[in-house]
Amino acid sequence: RKEVEQDPGPFNVPEGATVAFNCTYSNSASQSFFWYRQDCRKEPKLLMSVYSSGNEDGRFTAQLNRASQYISLLIRDSKLSDSATYLCVVPFSNTGKLIFGQGTTLQVKP
Amino acid sequence: GAGVSQSPSNKVTEKGKDVELRCDPISGHTALYWYRQSLGQGLEFLIYFQGNSAPDKSGLPSDRFSAERTGGSVSTLTIQRTQQEDSAVYLCASSALGSSGANVLTFGAGSRLTVL
Repeated sequence: RKEVEQDPGPFNVPEGATVAFNCTYSNSASQSFFWYRQDCRKEPKLLMSVYSSGNEDGRFTAQLNRASQYISLLIRDSKLSDSATYLCVVPFSNTGKLIFGQGTTLQVKP
Repeated sequence: GAGVSQSPSNKVTEKGKDVELRCDPISGHTALYWYRQSLGQGLEFLIYFQGNSAPDKSGLPSDRFSAERTGGSVSTLTIQRTQQEDSAVYLCASSALGSSGANVLTFGAGSRLTVL
């Protein structure tokens, strides 16, 4: 099993749709998790942190399922500006090493 | 500085040449990471520095790759005898431990390396 796995997509959805991405991880000892957003040819930027069961910020909800070792990102009422690649990040040692998933690409269409 | 600064932003080199990529992290950030991103791919972990601890070099793809961090601040990633498969964007990120103890990364704009 890969350390961090994501469905690369692309996910093509209409404006206003609700879309969800999953990310699975192999290290059961991981405690904190992150979602980053990367626009085309730009550097990744932090979207949300997930420290316990979940986190909500406006239209975005991140959830953590420790038993099944996955985190999810839910985007409600999708906007054109949400089109990007969403990267899942998992710490893989107690030294702070962070591993990125390959990313899930979202295209929101008018 | 206000953000993570990387140089050069673009580097074109010939196969077999050595290259050095520089990263200037946010002042006060104790952790520094190097990642590599090939076109259309995810971020590949290369190396991680945390304070005065020995760096985690587990992601370096070969002994042609090395990195150092001087004085706990600026870092240089060196690629010796470059190969065409080294072509990628090399991203540097720094972080300070948050209140939760987790590392939140701030990335530089990257150094795009093209090996001809």
